[in-house]
Amino acid sequence: ETGVTQTPRHLVMGMTNKKSLKCEQHLGHNAMYWYKQSAKKPLELMFVYNFKEQTENNSVPSRFSPECPNSSHLFLHLHTLQPEDSALYLCASSQFTGGGEEKLFFGSGTQLSVL
Amino acid sequence: AQKVTQAQTEISVVEKEDVTLDCVYETRDTTYYLFWYKQPPSGELVFLIRRNSFDEQNEISGRYSWNFQKSTSSFNFTITASQVVDSAVYFCALSGPRNSGNTPLVFGKGTRLSVIA
Repeated sequence: ETGVTQTPRHLVMGMTNKKSLKCEQHLGHNAMYWYKQSAKKPLELMFVYNFKEQTENNSVPSRFSPECPNSSHLFLHLHTLQPEDSALYLCASSQFTGGGEEKLFFGSGTQLSVL
Repeated sequence: AQKVTQAQTEISVVEKEDVTLDCVYETRDTTYYLFWYKQPPSGELVFLIRRNSFDEQNEISGRYSWNFQKSTSSFNFTITASQVVDSAVYFCALSGPRNSGNTPLVFGKGTRLSVIA
């Protein structure tokens, strides 16, 4: 079993749909992250949760709504998305220390297409 | 602000050739960490190496080696005798202490490496 599992692997949705991405980590970490990977752009940090509390919101539009019910699970709720939101959404986890040395462990991502 | 630049967008090499992937970074912190990740076609980013700013020793792991030079703010990655399985996108990343206002892992745009048999 992989350390960080994301579902679904692929998602196609219309602009009026509501969907959720799920991430689960089996590594005993206390921090979880959402990153967005678009073509020809650096990976963009979206949200960070430490000990279930959101500590970073990188100016993400409100049509993306994260939820972290416990330190092992992370969701990204999507509603009224735009075509430019089509991207690979990557979840990651780490053991947060604050010093910056923590390694992030990534899932395989959800490839999202917004029609 | 922290920044990572990977000037090479795509590189193609023939199997068994050596290849170097460049990474240049910017930071105001004196303590920071540099990383390389590999993203195969399956999508997940796989951690390869982490170096801290006080350790400039080069590191070798099998066919992989890393050259960290603070004087030029570079952290280059060399694959010796490349293989088809090395084909992937490689990301360089930078991280610093959170109390300096740093966000976790700032990534470069990545270098897509294609190794041709």
